[in-house]
Amino acid sequence: QQPVQSPQAVILREGEDAVINCSSSKALYSVHWYRQKHGEAPVFLMILLKGGEQKGHEKISASFNEKKQQSSLYLTASQLSYSGTYFCGTVMEYGNKLVFGAGTILRVKS
Amino acid sequence: DGGITQSPKYLFRKEGQNVTLSCEQNLNHDAMYWYRQDPGQGLRLIYYSQIVNDFQKGDIAEGYSVSREKKESFPLTVTSAQKNPTAFYLCASTPLAGLYNEQFFGPGTRLTVL
Repeated sequence: QQPVQSPQAVILREGEDAVINCSSSKALYSVHWYRQKHGEAPVFLMILLKGGEQKGHEKISASFNEKKQQSSLYLTASQLSYSGTYFCGTVMEYGNKLVFGAGTILRVKS
Repeated sequence: DGGITQSPKYLFRKEGQNVTLSCEQNLNHDAMYWYRQDPGQGLRLIYYSQIVNDFQKGDIAEGYSVSREKKESFPLTVTSAQKNPTAFYLCASTPLAGLYNEQFFGPGTRLTVL
């Protein structure tokens, strides 16, 4: 069951904020977030486990709403270096695989 | 430096030929994974291995084969049975078998079928 990411793409100016959502129709155990630059390998951002724990990574943070089976990635005061494609990956409760969403393309302009 | 290496970076193959993509890690990780990425799409799991001499099919295993004879190596063979093999292939590893750890990715191999 591939998670659904929204929006598909977003364009920001430097300093603006963005939210990327990741939703599942099934109960989740964990949500992983990665960022990928064009032609490169994905880079790990964070993992959120069941329990609604919020995590932060510099100006990038995320939350996990267990009731809604949804995670949101928050990018504040965006920088040019934030440009790339953001993927969420989900592990269902009692699942044995990490399944990635289709990605959200983020472009930050100066 | 510890990490994952994939070779070659670019690979061209003629239709009907088998080709093997290399993946080596010196992180002492137990689990290794192969993903396929097509333009505008997410990563899809081909095969994974949680321990030496054992591996499991992922979501799109048809037309692919793997082996795990050594902990540090997990080569992927794209066979002629794979109907549309042109894609970006990523290898990853995690410290322990299981899904609660960060996945470390290699730089990828871009395969083009001529």
